[in-house]
Amino acid sequence: SQQGEEDPQALSIQEGENATMNCSYKTSINNLQWYRQNSGRGLVHLILIRSNEREKHSGRLRVTLDTSKKSSSLLITASRAADTASYFCATDEAGTALIFGKGTTLSVSS
Amino acid sequence: DAGVIQSPRHEVTEMGQEVTLRCKPISGHNSLFWYRQTMMRGLELLIYFNNNVPIDDSGMPEDRFSAKMPNASFSTLKIQPSEPRDSAVYFCASSLASGSWEQFFGPGTRLTVL
Repeated sequence: SQQGEEDPQALSIQEGENATMNCSYKTSINNLQWYRQNSGRGLVHLILIRSNEREKHSGRLRVTLDTSKKSSSLLITASRAADTASYFCATDEAGTALIFGKGTTLSVSS
Repeated sequence: DAGVIQSPRHEVTEMGQEVTLRCKPISGHNSLFWYRQTMMRGLELLIYFNNNVPIDDSGMPEDRFSAKMPNASFSTLKIQPSEPRDSAVYFCASSLASGSWEQFFGPGTRLTVL
């Protein structure tokens, strides 16, 4: 079963623009993670936000978490062509393994 | 550390053949996960191990699929007999522990069953 669902499914922007992706989930969580997957590669961990945190930053990444709405957003500022990839949110279910959403495919053109 | 190692990277086989995928997790990691990724179904968790013990195999699609972890540094995922609908990319990931920990993914094995 999939816990997280990303929105939009696909996003196309120009270099320098900001990209925002959203994730909704269904049950209570301990934390939420975001991963990136470049074409033909495995997933790479980007950032983790705990359920008692509302916002977290890492370089050009900004993640927010709203547990009352069961949603999270990932903002990539000043995007670059190298940010082209698929982005997944993943949630834990009471200490079991992570459940991944279907991802948002981001395309950044120069 | 070399990261999670998977072999083979690509596998093409015919329907009915046995397929064995291999994974070496990061040294010191206690949890190992097998995923399958397709365009239609996304990334699905098949099974995961804690300290070499299978914890949850509810994602294993059929009895044709089996996974083992004989020691902390090696795991296999076997499909016997394989079918065309098993064609997918299979990922192995490891983490310090299950649950909320960051997972480190291998490069995947692209399986094509003809």
